[in-house]
Amino acid sequence: GENVEQHPSTLSVQEGDSAVIKCTYSDSASNYFPWYKQELGKGPQLIIDIRSNVGEKKDQRIAVTLNKTAKHFSLHITETQPEDSAVYFCAASGGFQKLVFGTGTRLLVSP
Amino acid sequence: EPEVTQTPSHQVTQMGQEVILRCVPISNHLYFYWYRQILGQKVEFLVSFYNNEISEKSEIFDDQFSVERPDGSNFTLKIRSTKLEDSAMYFCATTIQGLNTEAFFGQGTRLTVV
Repeated sequence: GENVEQHPSTLSVQEGDSAVIKCTYSDSASNYFPWYKQELGKGPQLIIDIRSNVGEKKDQRIAVTLNKTAKHFSLHITETQPEDSAVYFCAASGGFQKLVFGTGTRLLVSP
Repeated sequence: EPEVTQTPSHQVTQMGQEVILRCVPISNHLYFYWYRQILGQKVEFLVSFYNNEISEKSEIFDDQFSVERPDGSNFTLKIRSTKLEDSAMYFCATTIQGLNTEAFFGQGTRLTVV
């Protein structure tokens, strides 16, 4: 089955810096890659997603890149703000039945 | 903004007791899921449900677990005889279509088995 690896587990940046989180997946059949933000005590919330027919997608300060050959995808957050502090999860899906999540990255943005 | 609603937010139960976790999906969504997250760990898939039957389940979803949509609105997860290791956050999620569309997650139910 699919296995998703995510790193780093913790990332500390200064406000205004960029943050990059990387994930790799194992199943070449996976074709949907969402990123979720989870704040304390809340459920995961989708922040951006990408499908395998696209190499890059951007939404304001957030971008995701996908390299299908290498089976890895990355989340880029520019001009980080303290409210970006949260746990970020990548996930992969090869069909409609389930998402396989990475282990999460705790992002801390210091003012 | 449509949302998935879960109740209760926190459930404490004695080991061996049955618990039922409830979810109200977004009204026009057709695919329903349960995930769990043990404290400090990643979110894990339990089961998917479509057209009143299970579509897929993980190894975690053994005979102690069941799901149903008894009244056409609530989507429930039942654990028949809880174990200490069932303690986790349980998230309900729904999608409008199955195929690689945005999954909306509820706020979760924190289950504590003592």
